[in-house]
Amino acid sequence: ETGVTQTPRHLVMGMTNKKSLKCEQHLGHNAMYWYKQSAKKPLELMFVYNFKEQTENNSVPSRFSPECPNSSHLFLHLHTLQPEDSALYLCASSQGLGTGGTEAFFGQGTRLTVV
Amino acid sequence: GQQLNQSPQSMFIQEGEDVSMNCTSSSIFNTWLWYKQDPGEGPVLLIALYKAGELTSNGRLTAQFGITRKDSFLNISASIPSDVGIYFCAGTSSGNTPLVFGKGTRLSVIA
Repeated sequence: ETGVTQTPRHLVMGMTNKKSLKCEQHLGHNAMYWYKQSAKKPLELMFVYNFKEQTENNSVPSRFSPECPNSSHLFLHLHTLQPEDSALYLCASSQGLGTGGTEAFFGQGTRLTVV
Repeated sequence: GQQLNQSPQSMFIQEGEDVSMNCTSSSIFNTWLWYKQDPGEGPVLLIALYKAGELTSNGRLTAQFGITRKDSFLNISASIPSDVGIYFCAGTSSGNTPLVFGKGTRLSVIA
């Protein structure tokens, strides 16, 4: 059982579609993250939200749009994606940057396939 | 930026053997973490280290925070088939910045 829940677990979308990935954490954390994990590549940090404020955007293309309405929820809105965007998208949370808690806890991921 | 070098990249071992992997940083860290990822799942935290020289165990797993604060080691004793997966090291030099992750060690266990 995980304190970080991601939905959907699997998603197949066309290049013209618009979809959203959802992440919810039940750990009382204040920082949330999106990572991309492609085959045979390391984890790539995409976005960081700390106390609902976006603190990091690692040169992610604008076809990926994050949203953090509160400390417990994080979304990743997807539109006009490319096949190379197919990957496992992982959400994580931690106590909060600057609060001393550095351990990140991950969701199970969304396996995204762009066709 | 900070970089982590994790080795080996992959390992094939016989069931029952011990396993060692390590991670080195280009800068001093104050926290080292080790995660395991099963296929199609998210990484799960195995061990957290907060102090140079610290040695911490979790069942058959033992991890150490190097005294230079630039490296960490993970050992798995008497490996079993369910140890298969990708092991990631992660660390940070400051509680104000996100974790930096290694590229992972893919472990295969031959029964």
